[in-house]
Amino acid sequence: AQSVTQPDIHITVSEGASLELRCNYSYGATPYLFWYVQSPGQGLQLLLKYFSGDTLVQGIKGFEAEFKRSQSSFNLRKPSVHWSDAAEYFCAVAPYNAGNMLTFGGGTRLMVKP
Amino acid sequence: DAGVTQSPTHLIKTRGQQVTLRCSPKSGHDTVSWYQQALGQGPQFIFQYYEEEERQRGNFPDRFSGHQFPNYSSELNVNALLLGDSALYLCASSSVGGRGTEAFFGQGTRLTVV
Repeated sequence: AQSVTQPDIHITVSEGASLELRCNYSYGATPYLFWYVQSPGQGLQLLLKYFSGDTLVQGIKGFEAEFKRSQSSFNLRKPSVHWSDAAEYFCAVAPYNAGNMLTFGGGTRLMVKP
Repeated sequence: DAGVTQSPTHLIKTRGQQVTLRCSPKSGHDTVSWYQQALGQGPQFIFQYYEEEERQRGNFPDRFSGHQFPNYSSELNVNALLLGDSALYLCASSSVGGRGTEAFFGQGTRLTVV
């Protein structure tokens, strides 16, 4: 069975500082990997996705993520955080060719200090 | 394009009652998945509908059922509500029978069971 672990429940960073959110997955075959962001009381917005090819993927809002098969990781990064980035971030995995059957991690809540 | 729309946005029900939630997929999408997001947790996959049939199901009891209509819209029904069914219910649509590369989420329906 597939699973996703986000080890950090809460992270606080200062505005302008760099950010890395960790994600580890367990999946027996080629996974689809995603990062979603959720503002309070809202639905999920896709930040970026990885299917194949270049292991460094670029997303919206200046985010990027790197797929490391050997570490079963798909960490999200941003070089300079803005106050508007404060939200809940979810990493997710889906079976190959089934991007709407997602298994989510527990989420990381990001707080941004002024 | 209105994106994925869900109704109602909020709902309060009493234990033992039944509830129906509705979802209209993004234009051009033919597949709808439903997710349950309990407070402070990541979304959990309930089931997926394609061609008016349930194609995949997560680890949810039979009290949770659904339907997809010829126009691809979908309903989620929950019978014999329990307090533990209180959650944000998210609908996500995708194209090409769920084999599309990403899911688009609605804003969710917040269900409170009292």
